Amino acid sequence: AQTVTQSQPEMSVQEAETVTLSCTYDTSESDYYLFWYKQPPSRQMILVIRQEAYKQQNATENRFSVNFQKAAKSFSLKISDSQLGDAAMYFCAYRSENSGTYKYIFGTGTRLKVLA
Amino acid sequence: NAGVTQTPKFQVLKTGQSMTLQCAQDMNHEYMSWYRQDPGMGLRLIHYSVGAGITDQGEVPNGYNVSRSTTEDFPLRLLSAAPSQTSVYFCASSYFSRGVNTEAFFGQGTRLTVV
Repeated sequence: AQTVTQSQPEMSVQEAETVTLSCTYDTSESDYYLFWYKQPPSRQMILVIRQEAYKQQNATENRFSVNFQKAAKSFSLKISDSQLGDAAMYFCAYRSENSGTYKYIFGTGTRLKVLA
Repeated sequence: NAGVTQTPKFQVLKTGQSMTLQCAQDMNHEYMSWYRQDPGMGLRLIHYSVGAGITDQGEVPNGYNVSRSTTEDFPLRLLSAAPSQTSVYFCASSYFSRGVNTEAFFGQGTRLTVV
């Protein structure tokens, strides 16, 4: 079974600085997708960025980028020029392409605090 | 464009009571699922459905029932509420397209307290 691990329960970053959130996963599959979701205090789950396993190029969305290392099964999220609005819980997620069930598997989350 | 709508947003139940959490989506998504979110445990899959008439168990199905009579609706039933079911519940939906990276869309969550 696939698993997703986020080893940092909490992180802090100074406003305007850069922070990296870690995520590792375990799978025997070759085709899958990876996601980072943000959950602000409003509780709403918001997609931040996505990555296809077959793409070697790291995904980028404005200030958010990933470092995808397929062989190491690592998928970290880098937030540049951190803003107060980035403070939230961040979840890493995995979705299989092969299983036929299309289940999304989530990590335990990292709470990011942004210091003014 | 409503997306995924969950009701209610908050609920307090007494131990042993039953209730249904409602979830509806208007995006014609085949895949719908229910998660519970507990501190330090992330989102854990309760039940999911890959289409009308088809449901299956996730990681933590005990104490919950689901049905999928239409593409749009996927209610979650708590049969006899227990304090261990105090949690935040999320409904999510997604569409299938092999080879396309489709994300899950979430409702706003239901905070359930069982006393």
